[in-house]
Amino acid sequence: DGGITQSPKYLFRKEGQNVTLSCEQNLNHDAMYWYRQDPGQGLRLIYYSQIVNDFQKGDIAEGYSVSREKKESFPLTVTSAQKNPTAFYLCASSTQEGEATDTQYFGPGTRLTVL
Amino acid sequence: AQSVTQLGSHVSVSEGALVLLRCNYSSSVPPYLFWYVQYPNQGLQLLLKYTSAATLVKGINGFEAEFKKSETSFHLTKPSAHMSDAAEYFCAVIKDSSYKLIFGSGTRLLVRP
Repeated sequence: DGGITQSPKYLFRKEGQNVTLSCEQNLNHDAMYWYRQDPGQGLRLIYYSQIVNDFQKGDIAEGYSVSREKKESFPLTVTSAQKNPTAFYLCASSTQEGEATDTQYFGPGTRLTVL
Repeated sequence: AQSVTQLGSHVSVSEGALVLLRCNYSSSVPPYLFWYVQYPNQGLQLLLKYTSAATLVKGINGFEAEFKKSETSFHLTKPSAHMSDAAEYFCAVIKDSSYKLIFGSGTRLLVRP
């Protein structure tokens, strides 16, 4: 089945540690995205990538880093510089056919808790 | 700049009753609008999207939404609520001419038996 997988589903981290969240897609999509979701708020864009080896900051990139070495993979690292990392993280992907209506498909999410 | 506002963080309906979830948008250009649904501890699933082809858009699970330019609205409706519709619903708009989605703060739908 085609889709987006995120791992792990739950992640616990001690303060001061970096942690990497995995996102893999087999939809052959060019574009991938990372969002953060907090209770009572909508999703906020952290980083996005429209093509391999290229990515751009979203609205809340501080304290996060990404890489896009393969089309299928877009891992997100939450660094110790992120002041409040406890949140639900969602990865998405979409085609890039030149239309603003390309639909974004979402993974199941990773819930990160800082202890 | 584009934005969306969802009125009501929580909506409660009885099973079988009409579902109405409100979304108003702000956009200086014709908008592309989306409704997504999220079940607890899961990702988002696309319900429907407006791309200017038709003002009444039909989606999955019996939901539909009507684009009303005069009211800058894109409200989501379903004639008869089912218990399985209980979830959080997000309205979203494409930002400017980019591919970035701007989400509303979400509306949690509760369905009473």
